[in-house]
Amino acid sequence: QLQLQESGPGLVKPSETLSLTCIVSGGPISTNTYYWAWIRQPPGKGLEWIGSIYYFGNTFYNPSLKSRVTLSVDTSKNQFSLNLSSVTAADTAVYYCARHNMITWGEPDWFDPWGQGTLVTVSS
Amino acid sequence: EIVLTQSPGTLSLSPGERATLSCRASQTLNSRYLAWYQQKPGQAPRLLIYDASSRATGTPARFSGSGSGTDFTLTISRLEPEDFAVYYCQQYGTSLTWMFGQGTKVEIK
Repeated sequence: QLQLQESGPGLVKPSETLSLTCIVSGGPISTNTYYWAWIRQPPGKGLEWIGSIYYFGNTFYNPSLKSRVTLSVDTSKNQFSLNLSSVTAADTAVYYCARHNMITWGEPDWFDPWGQGTLVTVSS
Repeated sequence: EIVLTQSPGTLSLSPGERATLSCRASQTLNSRYLAWYQQKPGQAPRLLIYDASSRATGTPARFSGSGSGTDFTLTISRLEPEDFAVYYCQQYGTSLTWMFGQGTKVEIK
């Protein structure tokens, strides 16, 4: 059974870079039927897709965050990572990683399964 | 950018009642490319429905999805205590961005 687990600092200072890693277990990340995604949820609010990455490095980013987001993948460690630069208090959220299903190559679909999420607070 | 609008914001119902949740897209979605998720407090969202009406593995039969184009519905035929949660819709297949609706909370009346 595939499992995803987010890891990284729970507190980041304003203007710094938020860095999270998602460790995938129970299956390879280097599969041609999935992308791998990051999604966030500010406290008490809804879900926002951040970006998705294929194990070859192909990426899709949310246009509203694109200038600050970098996704990367490490197939040797079966994990993928998120860097979000120049953070502000508005970036405080629970960050989830998820498998992004892909039926048609290059056009991912729904997200399943999800990691449990990790709360990142931006504060000095 | 496609915007998904869910209604109502909150649905107050009793166990055993029928719940009808709506998700409307700002433009026509390709085929029936819409998913529904359930999120309970303190938990990650869980996929319930994909392709508008296909139940994900483990989704009880009391959950059903319908719709196409711009209007989609999630129906819970008879609410069980564990169904009180927040539900999100999500579109795919129309643009290379993946957006969620703002959510509908189903609460105990």
